Amino acid sequence: LAKTTQPISMDSYEGQEVNITCSHNNIATNDYITWYQQFPSQGPRFIIQGYKTKVTNEVASLFIPADRKSSTLSLPRVSLSDTAVYYCLVGAFDTGRRALTFGSGTRLQVQP
Amino acid sequence: DAGVIQSPRHEVTEMGQEVTLRCKPISGHNSLFWYRQTMMRGLELLIYFNNNVPIDDSGMPEDRFSAKMPNASFSTLKIQPSEPRDSAVYFCASSFLTGRNNEQFFGPGTRLTVL
Repeated sequence: LAKTTQPISMDSYEGQEVNITCSHNNIATNDYITWYQQFPSQGPRFIIQGYKTKVTNEVASLFIPADRKSSTLSLPRVSLSDTAVYYCLVGAFDTGRRALTFGSGTRLQVQP
Repeated sequence: DAGVIQSPRHEVTEMGQEVTLRCKPISGHNSLFWYRQTMMRGLELLIYFNNNVPIDDSGMPEDRFSAKMPNASFSTLKIQPSEPRDSAVYFCASSFLTGRNNEQFFGPGTRLTVL
């Protein structure tokens, strides 16, 4: 199971772009990279998932270099409501395989 | 869709009592997960089911914990007997798992306090 490393916390201001990088040096060939967001007193919420290169949706972008040993979640123009904990997960699902593991996450604080 | 439904939302009990947490996954999903979250240990996967069959229960802390999924629309997590160290938020999540889809949908959680 690939171990992930993320910064414990980050601070930003409203309107700025925030990039959170996750290291996963022992990622396996069939592993996907998934990011979740968690607000206080709520369950995690899926943000984005990718395998390689770049993935973009209405919420965020995910950049994955060719060696796939790291990934960067990019949040454009953050607002106060983006204050949350962000988790990077690496793994693959199929019957009999170990499920994804949530690490400590990155606590993002957005200031006005 | 109502999303993943968990009950109760809050549970306060005394040490030694049996506790049963319930979960209704999203209709059509083939996998269900039970997690526990505490400040000290973060979010831990306890067990997950695929097509109602337990696949990986290596995260279940000890024999006091048991989980069942009698059908595709219902699962329970039981703690018997409960202990103060079991106090945590318990999340249920469901997903339609394929080899390429790792998106889980989480319920609102059950906050358990064992006195």
